[in-house]
Amino acid sequence: NAGVTQTPKFRVLKTGQSMTLLCAQDMNHEYMYWYRQDPGMGLRLIHYSVGEGTTAKGEVPDGYNVSRLKKQNFLLGLESAAPSQTSVYFCASSYTYWGEGKNIQYFGAGTRLSVL
Amino acid sequence: QKEVEQDPGPLSVPEGAIVSLNCTYSNSAFQYFMWYRQYSRKGPELLMYTYSSGNKEDGRFTAQVDKSSKYISLFIRDSQPSDSATYLCAMKDAGGTSYGKLTFGQGTILTVHP
Repeated sequence: NAGVTQTPKFRVLKTGQSMTLLCAQDMNHEYMYWYRQDPGMGLRLIHYSVGEGTTAKGEVPDGYNVSRLKKQNFLLGLESAAPSQTSVYFCASSYTYWGEGKNIQYFGAGTRLSVL
Repeated sequence: QKEVEQDPGPLSVPEGAIVSLNCTYSNSAFQYFMWYRQYSRKGPELLMYTYSSGNKEDGRFTAQVDKSSKYISLFIRDSQPSDSATYLCAMKDAGGTSYGKLTFGQGTILTVHP
């Protein structure tokens, strides 16, 4: 049982380059999330998805796009990378607890991205 | 002011010590409280989950929630070097759907030395 798998683990980009981060989960979770983690800032939500084919903006969506074509996959794209996007990116997924607000998220191991 | 405040530390204690980690929050709508543990260069993993007020114990770990003071704590008894990690508190309101934004603290870096 792999849980949440992120690829790649590390990446170095030059300013203006594009890339896609892939997140895959094998727990049949409806909800998926992309966060970035920066020193002193905690985890900040970039985008999220409540189901296949749906996406929504989080706290810090600018400069990122996402797609959820399959339930198990959630892709995060950077169209034109900037040094401010240097960060560690985490994907998470969570189960649906119908009728209650419980939300327990399971995280991947992260992608370390440097933009030069 | 941040919705959730957590002392980033770092906190360094000897093996066997009792560790107290804390978060304060300002949003009275928060009902779900979690502690995540994050080892270096790994993703966060859920350690403790509590709904509303009260205490919850799991082995050497105890989570406490005091909603009247808007304060939550995680206690680690008989701390071990393997407890060295960053501890993140997270909170969520009682929205009717189970999607809801988790609000995280900054994380406290804990080192337990032998």
